[in-house]
Amino acid sequence: GNSVTQMEGPVTLSEEAFLTINCTYTATGYPSLFWYVQYPGEGLQLLLKATKADDKGSNKGFEATYRKETTSFHLEKGSVQVSDSAVYFCALSPYSGGGADGLTFGKGTHLIIQP
Amino acid sequence: DVKVTQSSRYLVKRTGEKVFLECVQDMDHENMFWYRQDPGLGLRLIYFSYDVKMKEKGDIPEGYSVSREKKERFSLILESASTNQTSMYLCASSLLGQNQPQHFGDGTRLSIL
Repeated sequence: GNSVTQMEGPVTLSEEAFLTINCTYTATGYPSLFWYVQYPGEGLQLLLKATKADDKGSNKGFEATYRKETTSFHLEKGSVQVSDSAVYFCALSPYSGGGADGLTFGKGTHLIIQP
Repeated sequence: DVKVTQSSRYLVKRTGEKVFLECVQDMDHENMFWYRQDPGLGLRLIYFSYDVKMKEKGDIPEGYSVSREKKERFSLILESASTNQTSMYLCASSLLGQNQPQHFGDGTRLSIL
């Protein structure tokens, strides 16, 4: 079956540090990959996505590249801010050829940025 | 912006009660989903629906059912609530298609006493 593995944390960094959150996946076919962010007391928001190999998703200074050879989709940001403190989820959507499919999520990485 | 609204932020019910969680989306999305979120387990799919009156089981459907009588509304039903169903429940919706992102509500924190 499909699965997503990500570092669970918490990950604690100082403001302006470089961030990497690792994510690897197992899936058949050609999944789409997503990063979602959950701020305290809120639902999940889409951060970025990539739909095929070597695609790079980017948003709000965050980037992730779809690496089929290593089945990875690591999240990076060059300089984090206190406001980036949240839980980050890596997720995949399997190829289905149409219709609905639920996302398969990693367990989430709690990121804490200290001033 | 897409708006997914869950009827309650917090809910407390008793063991054995029948519990209804309601979700409404305003963007005419075909797909709707129910997940539960638990510490250390992430999000797990309970049920989803790709059309009115259509439903599909997710990874953990036991103890739950769903109803989709109108396109914009997707209800999660706990037939006989148990303490192990205490959790955060998240509703989501999306357009049809593999690459469509899901849009989430703010969640309902349900406690079963």
